[in-house]
Formats: sequence, structure tokens, C-alpha cells
Amino acid sequence: AQKVTQAQTEISVVEKEDVTLDCVYETRDTTYYLFWYKQPPSGELVFLIRRNSFDEQNEISGRYSWNFQKSTSSFNFTITASQVVDSAVYFCALSEGSGGGADGLTFGKGTHLIIQP
Amino acid sequence: NAGVTQTPKFQVLKTGQSMTLQCAQDMNHEYMSWYRQDPGMGLRLIHYSVGAGITDQGEVPNGYNVSRSTTEDFPLRLLSAAPSQTSVYFCASRPPGQRIYEQYFGPGTRLTVT
Repeated sequence: AQKVTQAQTEISVVEKEDVTLDCVYETRDTTYYLFWYKQPPSGELVFLIRRNSFDEQNEISGRYSWNFQKSTSSFNFTITASQVVDSAVYFCALSEGSGGGADGLTFGKGTHLIIQP
Repeated sequence: NAGVTQTPKFQVLKTGQSMTLQCAQDMNHEYMSWYRQDPGMGLRLIHYSVGAGITDQGEVPNGYNVSRSTTEDFPLRLLSAAPSQTSVYFCASRPPGQRIYEQYFGPGTRLTVT
């Protein structure tokens, strides 16, 4: 069975600090996909990134970066020079690819990130 | 494209009432799914569909019914609402095929059952 663990329930930092959100996953499949979503206070889900199990290359997008390590089953998300607008709940999610992912995503419980001015 | 739309945005029901949450997408996505979000629980899959006429259960299907008569629509029915179904409901869709791209989420329906 697949599982996603986000051990950090809430993180609070001061603006401009760097912050890393942890995500650990469990799956028996060799083909799978990992996602990060952002849920701002307005409630919608905003897609941030998708990574497949065959691509361990880290990715950077502006102030956001992701570190995928299959050896530790982790897909961590770092925000550099955080801003108040980064305040949100962040979800890590997993989709096993053997069935084409039709059976949806397994989400972690989310990390509530608070950026204090 | 309107993307994934959900109606209503808010709903209050009394225990035992029935209702249907509507979900529609105009992107010709074959795969659609329903999730519920509860505080501290993340999102959990209720039901999903891989195409018109095909549906299956997710992690928390009890108390919910779905049908998929068209590619565009995937309604979620609560036959007899219970307070435990108070939640925020998200509908999602994604393109067909084996490659897993992002799931497109609707704006959500906030349901309260009293």
C-alpha cells in the first residue's frame, strides 16, 4: 500500500528565512509519481511540481527547489528567502504508475507553513 | 476553457437529507475523481472514474455514490447525509494515457451536515 508522510504539521519562520518541508513516501511500485501542491488560505489547490520515479534530478524554480532521493524515499521541498505570500498548507502526494494513476493520488496530511513578517 | 468546475461552493444539510455535488470539466479528460479534505487528514480519495460508464471506489467510499454518464460530468451523491460527511470536497480530472501529469482540481465544495 502506498503512503505519504509529512511529519511536520506546522512550521513557522520569519520572512526571508529558508525553510524545508519534508516528505517521505512508501510504495512497492518501481514506477510512481510524486507531487507537491500548495493550498493558500483561499482554499484552492495549486499544482507546484510533478516528478516521476525515474528522474532523480533535483529541480529549481525561482525560490522553490525540490530534492528527490530514492535511497531515502524522500521528496523534500525548500523555499529560499521565504515571503509572507508563501504562507499556506503544502501537500505532498504520490501516484503509483502501474495502473496508469487512474486510482488517484495519495496525499500526506500537509504542512502548514506560516511566514511571519 | 473553464477547467474543473464544482457546484455549489457551500452547502448546509440536515442529517438524513440527500444531495448531489456537481463536477464538470471541459478539457476532455478521461480520468476524474472525488476527494474529501478534513482538518489534519489531507485529502482522501472517495471515488474515481477512468471514463464514461466506469467508476471505482477509493479509500473512503462509504456513504457516497457516483456515476459517469458523460466524459464531462462526474456527480457525487450523498443519499443520507451524516455529520461525519462534513468536509470540503474536491473534484479532480487529468488527461488520459499512462503518463501521469498533474491533476486539475476544482475550487471545492464546503459541506456542513448538522
